[in-house]
Amino acid sequence: SAVISQKPSRDICQRGTSLTIQCQVDSQVTMMFWYRQQPGQSLTLIATANQGSEATYESGFVIDKFPISRPNLTFSTLTVSNMSPEDSSIYLCSFSGGNTEAFFGQGTRLTVV
Amino acid sequence: AQRVTQPEKLLSVFKGAPVELKCNYSYSGSPELFWYVQYSRQRLQLLLRHISRESIKGFTADLNKGETSFHLKKPFAQEEDSAMYYCALLYGGATNKLIFGTGTLLAVQP
Repeated sequence: SAVISQKPSRDICQRGTSLTIQCQVDSQVTMMFWYRQQPGQSLTLIATANQGSEATYESGFVIDKFPISRPNLTFSTLTVSNMSPEDSSIYLCSFSGGNTEAFFGQGTRLTVV
Repeated sequence: AQRVTQPEKLLSVFKGAPVELKCNYSYSGSPELFWYVQYSRQRLQLLLRHISRESIKGFTADLNKGETSFHLKKPFAQEEDSAMYYCALLYGGATNKLIFGTGTLLAVQP
């Protein structure tokens, strides 16, 4: 199965700054997804990253706050913009395999101070 | 709207005891359900899916449409089963989006 690498694994950032998280898959995949897992909460889908078009955002998430790039079928980035302490979470990238199994990156643990 | 509920945040059992992790769902379409597991310091990974009707690491899960449940069971827990377990529902048709429950931490005591 394809391998998915995510970086950074963790970061501590100042409020008001932005962080870009990268996700690399070792084979071409059609759909990639970005999730957020706030402390003590479940995974919540932020958006679906589409190659060659704008990402599709879920209710409660907007492009200005979480801009996403998907320049090709193996790579995507998620930026957390103008961060506040409420953005402290684990962020996960994922892709769907041909049989609907989801594969996940190792996650980025973000702390905003 | 679709929803997945896992009522237990923590389930603590002794080694050799039976385990049942509860999952209930709400979905207007035909459900496709999964259990994902995250072991300590590892990434989230698929444990099993209902359409496969298979046993993985001794775990099974049966979809009960009448009760809208997909409980995960194992007759004899092992210490290496200690992990975070998430029930997930596939929705959104061809987009393959998942909605997750809040997870249950299974702690198997020696």
